[in-house]
Amino acid sequence: SQELEQSPQSLIVQEGKNLTINCTSSKTLYGLYWYKQKYGEGLIFLMMLQKGGEEKSHEKITAKLDEKKQQSSLHITASQPSHAGIYLCGADMGTNAGKSTFGDGTTLTVKP
Amino acid sequence: DSGVTQTPKHLITATGQRVTLRCSPRSGDLSVYWYQQSLDQGLQFLIQYYNGEERAKGNILERFSAQQFPDLHSELNLSSLELGDSALYFCASSRGTGLLTGELFFGEGSRLTVL
Repeated sequence: SQELEQSPQSLIVQEGKNLTINCTSSKTLYGLYWYKQKYGEGLIFLMMLQKGGEEKSHEKITAKLDEKKQQSSLHITASQPSHAGIYLCGADMGTNAGKSTFGDGTTLTVKP
Repeated sequence: DSGVTQTPKHLITATGQRVTLRCSPRSGDLSVYWYQQSLDQGLQFLIQYYNGEERAKGNILERFSAQQFPDLHSELNLSSLELGDSALYFCASSRGTGLLTGELFFGEGSRLTVL
């Protein structure tokens, strides 16, 4: 999606290393979601961020939304093989419409 | 298990044919979303229905149509199929009308292969 840009497109890390995935929009986001997808399977909800400066953590995954609500980062600490998959950020780009947009995803490989 | 059921899981058909994909949302969810995921296009929003009515439209081709029935299940109809329509089609549901009102729950997808 050109409305939401994710970087990097793919990432290969050694088990135990930390990593960060970014999601950037040119517009103010009304809400930002992070999902994880195993290849060929459905998306699994990770976290939702709505307020500027908000930060949430779940186990070893932390997501932040910047003050301007245009950029979010997903940080994984001490990565494990179970973290491997495709991470997608999603956002509602409108005020009333239900149109939802996703980034193109970041494919994470964790080498044991 | 997200509670969203999609059928069929796999479908192989020929160009020019028509197929119907079915989605049963989570119990109590009024919104149904359809997405297409292909390797070169990523996850693309197609269309959303809320309580039987079309709510939002994305990059859905004219050859594609969808509807949501009174029992809230939804069908995505793909006609005059082309090779490029081969993709994974996801259905998702939510309580409200948009992402802001809650997370989307995704089904496992229907993999369509057009030969």
